[in-house]
Amino acid sequence: AQSVTQLDSHVSVSEGTPVLLRCNYSSSYSPSLFWYVQHPNKGLQLLLKYTSAATLVKGINGFEAEFKKSETSFHLTKPSAHMSDAAEYFCVVSHNSGYALNFGKGTSLLVTP
Amino acid sequence: DVKVTQSSRYLVKRTGEKVFLECVQDMDHENMFWYRQDPGLGLRLIYFSYDVKMKEKGDIPEGYSVSREKKERFSLILESASTNQTSMYLCASSFIAGGAPEQFFGPGTRLTVL
Repeated sequence: AQSVTQLDSHVSVSEGTPVLLRCNYSSSYSPSLFWYVQHPNKGLQLLLKYTSAATLVKGINGFEAEFKKSETSFHLTKPSAHMSDAAEYFCVVSHNSGYALNFGKGTSLLVTP
Repeated sequence: DVKVTQSSRYLVKRTGEKVFLECVQDMDHENMFWYRQDPGLGLRLIYFSYDVKMKEKGDIPEGYSVSREKKERFSLILESASTNQTSMYLCASSFIAGGAPEQFFGPGTRLTVL
């Protein structure tokens, strides 16, 4: 079964400092991996996705993630946090069914001035 | 832009009531999904459908059923609402993009069962 573990439920950074949100995955085969973001009272939005093409994936708003098979990780990074980055972030892996998605429990990112 | 709409943003129902949550997508997507979102648990898959009149159980289908009579519409039904079904319900639709099922989500329905 495919699953993800988000290692931090809350992360706090200062504006202008780097962001690191950690995610480990478990999969019996090469998975598809995603990061979604949910701003307060807004819908879920796809940040980026990995589908075995390139291990370093660039997404929207300056975010990127690196697929590391040896570490079974897919951490999300951004060089410099902005106040508007404050949101809930979900690491996601393709579901067993091949249609749906398995979500992690989420990491709440707080950005302080 | 893909648009996924849900019939209500907020809903309050009584225990034992039959509840219908409606979802409509406008991009001719084959696949549609219902998830519930609870704090600290992320999103959990209730049911999904890969074609009209087809449905598959997700990870937590108990207490729910679904209906898909038209391609654009996917309904979630709580046959007899209970307080433990108080949650945020999210609908999504998808096509296959580059081999990965990119999903588009609606704004959610926050259901409270009293």
